[in-house]
Amino acid sequence: EDQVTQSPEALRLQEGESSSLNCSYTVSGLRGLFWYRQDPGKGPEFLFTLYSAGEEKEKERLKATLTKKESFLHITAPKPEDSATYLCAVWGGGADGLTFGKGTHLIIQP
Amino acid sequence: AAGVIQSPRHLIKEKRETATLKCYPIPRHDTVYWYQQGPGQDPQFLISFYEKMQSDKGSIPDRFSAQQFSDYHSELNMSSLELGDSALYFCASTLPENTGELFFGEGSRLTVL
Repeated sequence: EDQVTQSPEALRLQEGESSSLNCSYTVSGLRGLFWYRQDPGKGPEFLFTLYSAGEEKEKERLKATLTKKESFLHITAPKPEDSATYLCAVWGGGADGLTFGKGTHLIIQP
Repeated sequence: AAGVIQSPRHLIKEKRETATLKCYPIPRHDTVYWYQQGPGQDPQFLISFYEKMQSDKGSIPDRFSAQQFSDYHSELNMSSLELGDSALYFCASTLPENTGELFFGEGSRLTVL
């Protein structure tokens, strides 16, 4: 059974204070690892897909990296509008749907 | 750009009633997924359809059923509703080549009283 563990559960940063979110996973045959952003009461918004260890993707203040056991979402000089829950999900060989982690609730204080 | 459309956005039902949620995927997307997200929980995969056929099944209760129609829209039917069914229900769709990226709708919030 595919499993995704995200840490920390919640993170409060000052505006401009860089940090990283962790996603550890166990999956049979990783086909892809995904990062989503979710605002309260909204659907998850796609951010990145990573397919193989060593891959990196960047978008504005966010950068996602992947190893064989975990992924990191680095956030550089965050702004209050980056406040959201960040979900990590894996697409494994056995399942059709994505398996999500419980997310990291990120708060950026002005 | 067109997104995944879900309706209704909010729904209030009594216990033991029936509810139907609708999902219209992004044009050209032929695969539809349904997810359930309880308060403070991660989205849980319920069921998926590819080309109008069920392709995978997750933690969907027997009281729930779903189908995908010829125009690729999908409906999730929920019967004998229980208090624990109160949640956000998300529909997501993927490109025909299915790179795994899911594009989610805004969700339907079901409240069971």
